[in-house]
Amino acid sequence: DAMVIQNPRYQVTQFGKPVTLSCSQTLNHNVMYWYQQKSSQAPKLLFHYYDKDFNNEADTPDNFQSRRPNTSFCFLDIRSPGLGDAAMYLCATSRARVNSYEQYFGPGTRLTVT
Amino acid sequence: GEDVEQSLFLSVREGDSSVINCTYTDSSSTYLYWYKQEPGAGLQLLTYIFSNMDMKQDQRLTVLLNKKDKHLSLRIADTQTGDSAIYFCAESLSEKYIFGTGTRLKVLA
Repeated sequence: DAMVIQNPRYQVTQFGKPVTLSCSQTLNHNVMYWYQQKSSQAPKLLFHYYDKDFNNEADTPDNFQSRRPNTSFCFLDIRSPGLGDAAMYLCATSRARVNSYEQYFGPGTRLTVT
Repeated sequence: GEDVEQSLFLSVREGDSSVINCTYTDSSSTYLYWYKQEPGAGLQLLTYIFSNMDMKQDQRLTVLLNKKDKHLSLRIADTQTGDSAIYFCAESLSEKYIFGTGTRLKVLA
């Protein structure tokens, strides 16, 4: 049973052409995250939603935006992709509890910028 | 600083034990996690340990935590070729993680 779903798995976009990546979850978790991961490096957190509250990381470029219209869906918008934005984008969810914050990851979307 | 460090590579023979090490810096972390990432896939949660525990065992996996030295390790018993992957440790104080640099485990048949 798919729990965190990312579409598409592979996305090709042109330099400067806006692109949207989507994530949905069937876990009813209240926290959703977007990570960027390059070439076997650790995932880098871009931002996360804690319920409806948006939390941006200080070093996330303005080029990256996110929307969470409801509990199940979260989108990553890249307004003007550059060659340096080619990466794997990972969505994750967690159910924030008092002490434990296990995160569950989707399979990722690999973005190519031409 | 918030650096979680791991050695980059580990190579073991099939059937041997693997030990992957992680050093973290924030002594306030409440939970520490181990994730596995296979090529082209997302991260899979393997196990986690609460900071007031020293050890946790789950089938072939054993997690050891030394809070004094801020050292975490993952031991995989009877390592199989399917265990070949990148392993990330992570620490959390809240809903945000700090990931380690990742260890690439290669299992030789």
